[in-house]
Amino acid sequence: GAGVSQSPSNKVTEKGKDVELRCDPISGHTALYWYRQRLGQGLEFLIYFQGNSAPDKSGLPSDRFSAERTGESVSTLTIQRTQQEDSAVYLCASSIDRGGANEQFFGPGTRLTVL
Amino acid sequence: DAKTTQPTSMDCAEGRAANLPCNHSTISGNEYVYWYRQIHSQGPQYIIHGLKNNETNEMASLIITEDRKSSTLILPHATLRDTAVYYCIVRARGSQGNLIFGKGTKLSVKP
Repeated sequence: GAGVSQSPSNKVTEKGKDVELRCDPISGHTALYWYRQRLGQGLEFLIYFQGNSAPDKSGLPSDRFSAERTGESVSTLTIQRTQQEDSAVYLCASSIDRGGANEQFFGPGTRLTVL
Repeated sequence: DAKTTQPTSMDCAEGRAANLPCNHSTISGNEYVYWYRQIHSQGPQYIIHGLKNNETNEMASLIITEDRKSSTLILPHATLRDTAVYYCIVRARGSQGNLIFGKGTKLSVKP
């Protein structure tokens, strides 16, 4: 079946511009996660959505970052007034999160380059 | 979630078994051992998980010691495409929220 998809795969933008990154989770997965991975670094958690609960935003690095999710479907991560340090691969993952093994399935990521 | 310790890097010859160790000496009774890997320029990929019994799937085998303080991920016949960073994560079954990835082990499979 279809996995997690993300778009665009690559995004180059100028400093100060806003960007929107999209994630389509696996159908039926109630939980959705955004992570960031800078070049040569590990994964940093950004935000977590679970069903209709309030999202866990504890990983968002600044108020320039926000994310929305429509029900248990698509999510959009928005970065306003981008800075060069925002350059990274942004990874989305989804999982069933219903008390089971909860393995997370990751998308291919969006590579963001801020010039 | 309990802390894990993995070697920074390992090499393996193509076609041989790759054995990747992980120490998790503070693991608690309800915590599972999960393995993920990240191939260069791709998102992480779930491999396998287990509680206390050895587990096997189409990708790998997981051997957990009797005291559960350590485990080994085994790729029985490593290929060049198995070159990746392998992450061992300890997590309670049913727990929600983000995964915490450490530095993992960089496995290089060489011809």
